[in-house]
Amino acid sequence: DTAVSQTPKYLVTQMGNDKSIKCEQNLGHDTMYWYKQDSKKFLKIMFSYNNKELIINETVPNRFSPKSPDKAHLNLHINSLELGDSAVYFCASSQDIWAGRPSTNTEAFFGQGTRLTVV
Amino acid sequence: AQSVTQPDIHITVSEGASLELRCNYSYGATPYLFWYVQSPGQGLQLLLKYFSGDTLVQGIKGFEAEFKRSQSSFNLRKPSVHWSDAAEYFCAVGPAAGNKLTFGGGTRVLVKP
Repeated sequence: DTAVSQTPKYLVTQMGNDKSIKCEQNLGHDTMYWYKQDSKKFLKIMFSYNNKELIINETVPNRFSPKSPDKAHLNLHINSLELGDSAVYFCASSQDIWAGRPSTNTEAFFGQGTRLTVV
Repeated sequence: AQSVTQPDIHITVSEGASLELRCNYSYGATPYLFWYVQSPGQGLQLLLKYFSGDTLVQGIKGFEAEFKRSQSSFNLRKPSVHWSDAAEYFCAVGPAAGNKLTFGGGTRVLVKP
């Protein structure tokens, strides 16, 4: 069974459209996040959720709205897509949230990524 | 603020030769360091991690990495590369608030026959 799964794997859409990417983890983890990998392969965190509550939002535009209906899911909805949103989006999860010192419980497990292309 | 630098953007190595990928980090406390591999069209797979203890850590696929606090480095090595090792390799440090990992820019490894 896939630990962290994302759908779809590929998404091609036109500018201005609204789209969603779904993420599910079956590891029983409490923390989930979204990372964005741009065209230069640079990976940066976008959002982090713990027990369905937003922990960090790394200055992501309001057009991006994560939704966590339960601890096992963290979906990413994007409104009014722009060309610059084209990237690979990775979902990840960890057992616990960081509490000020390193812990193996904060190890991240990544999904396979969703390649979003905006045309 | 934490940061990670991977000085080499591309490395080309012959199959069977040794490989070393460099990683330098900046972190305000005891770091938790990772190496991930991303094969073409694939997600991120954890190769190995350093948390504490022995500074030489063994990972999957025959990789190892050595943590050197004095040099703020966590270089990845493999004695003999296989064609299947051609991929993008990312070093990361963390976590910080929200379990944020900070990634380096990646090193693309090409393997010549």
